[in-house]
Amino acid sequence: EPEVTQTPSHQVTQMGQEVILRCVPISNHLYFYWYRQILGQKVEFLVSFYNNEISEKSEIFDDQFSVERPDGSNFTLKIRSTKLEDSAMYFCASRVESGANEKLFFGSGTQLSVL
Amino acid sequence: KQEVTQIPAALSVPEGENLVLNCSFTDSAIYNLQWFRQDPGKGLTSLLLIQSSQREQTSGRLNASLDKSSGRSTLYIAASQPGDSATYLCAVKSRGSTLGRLYFGRGTQLTVWP
Repeated sequence: EPEVTQTPSHQVTQMGQEVILRCVPISNHLYFYWYRQILGQKVEFLVSFYNNEISEKSEIFDDQFSVERPDGSNFTLKIRSTKLEDSAMYFCASRVESGANEKLFFGSGTQLSVL
Repeated sequence: KQEVTQIPAALSVPEGENLVLNCSFTDSAIYNLQWFRQDPGKGLTSLLLIQSSQREQTSGRLNASLDKSSGRSTLYIAASQPGDSATYLCAVKSRGSTLGRLYFGRGTQLTVWP
């Protein structure tokens, strides 16, 4: 069964450093998302992406965050200057064209630890 | 802002029991509601999706119902098994969202012991 792939599974970085989290969505999907989950808290929406542009972003997704789909397969989340509070599990998700079947497919996540 | 609440936060039952997990949401203007399963250190797996016009969805031993007007959904698990042990998350897509932003509850952590 097709799946969303995320790399790396774990990332440790120093505060102030830039990180890039990578995702390969399911090949025929058109809508892409990043969510995050701080330990013990709810899964939170960060950003949605469609047709090569951001469709919606949350208040969390400030100027330190950016997303890119550099080619036909990869979807990346960049954090420019990491903060301690950015430590979380980051999930990439994708889905097909909207309609009756709007199930969101999630990757296994990247655990980001900012020291 | 949509708020999603799940009760109970944790549940521990012996194998074979039938279970009900509860989810409530504050804004009834939704497109759909999904139930997910989350295993430790893993991603989220979509179990069932109920459109706002539907009352319930079934998949195997799982049955999810939706009462949009009262802002409630339940996930019913029949004849629970140890392999059902996981965290179950409820998420809604609100009508105010353009492309599918989901609002999640904190989840119910389920343990089924043999």
